[in-house]
Amino acid sequence: GAVVSQHPSWVICKSGTSVKIECRSLDFQATTMFWYRQFPKQSLMLMATSNEGSKATYEQGVEKDKFLINHASLTLSTLTVTSAHPEDSSFYICSETGTSEETQYFGPGTRLLVL
Amino acid sequence: GESVGLHLPTLSVQEGDNSIINCAYSNSASDYFIWYKQESGKGPQFIIDIRSNMDKRQGQRVTVLLNKTVKHLSLQIAATQPGDSAVYFCAEKAGYSTLTFGKGTMLLVSP
Repeated sequence: GAVVSQHPSWVICKSGTSVKIECRSLDFQATTMFWYRQFPKQSLMLMATSNEGSKATYEQGVEKDKFLINHASLTLSTLTVTSAHPEDSSFYICSETGTSEETQYFGPGTRLLVL
Repeated sequence: GESVGLHLPTLSVQEGDNSIINCAYSNSASDYFIWYKQESGKGPQFIIDIRSNMDKRQGQRVTVLLNKTVKHLSLQIAATQPGDSAVYFCAEKAGYSTLTFGKGTMLLVSP
């Protein structure tokens, strides 16, 4: 498997501010990490694939200028929600594949509430 | 955005019963499948996986069955315990594509 951590576990912010969420791979050098968003009672929706040293690949309908992804090292990827609005309130979860390159192992998630 | 009033399919069982959670997938090219367990407020936890060249795989108290003919996947949990209460997601993958998640099933285990 793989061990993934996220920070913070929850955050409350005012509308219009930016929030940065960190995703760390604790036991593996992850060249690829994934960012998901999950609304209550819904499934996980892939937002983007984060590639170390290059630009992230965003899914259709996800604004790259609003959800900034930086994967500057093999163990850290960050997601910044810029100019957050209440509709951005959600559960954000990152994952990485570890050595399997197929199975994805997920972090504990970050609950974002925008007031 | 959020869908007000959306309800997850729910399976309610008694402690000690066997549980079967089903998943239908649509992509006939999918060749790798995973079951995840997600407890409230936590990230999904890997349970078991299966490749398309198999039709059954067993883990500790769990068994995954794959029927490619009808594009159906199931997760069987033996002797279900209250700690098994969670939302269970199936996920599929075709080749080098990204994982696609199913809608999820909530399992409620009563003592």
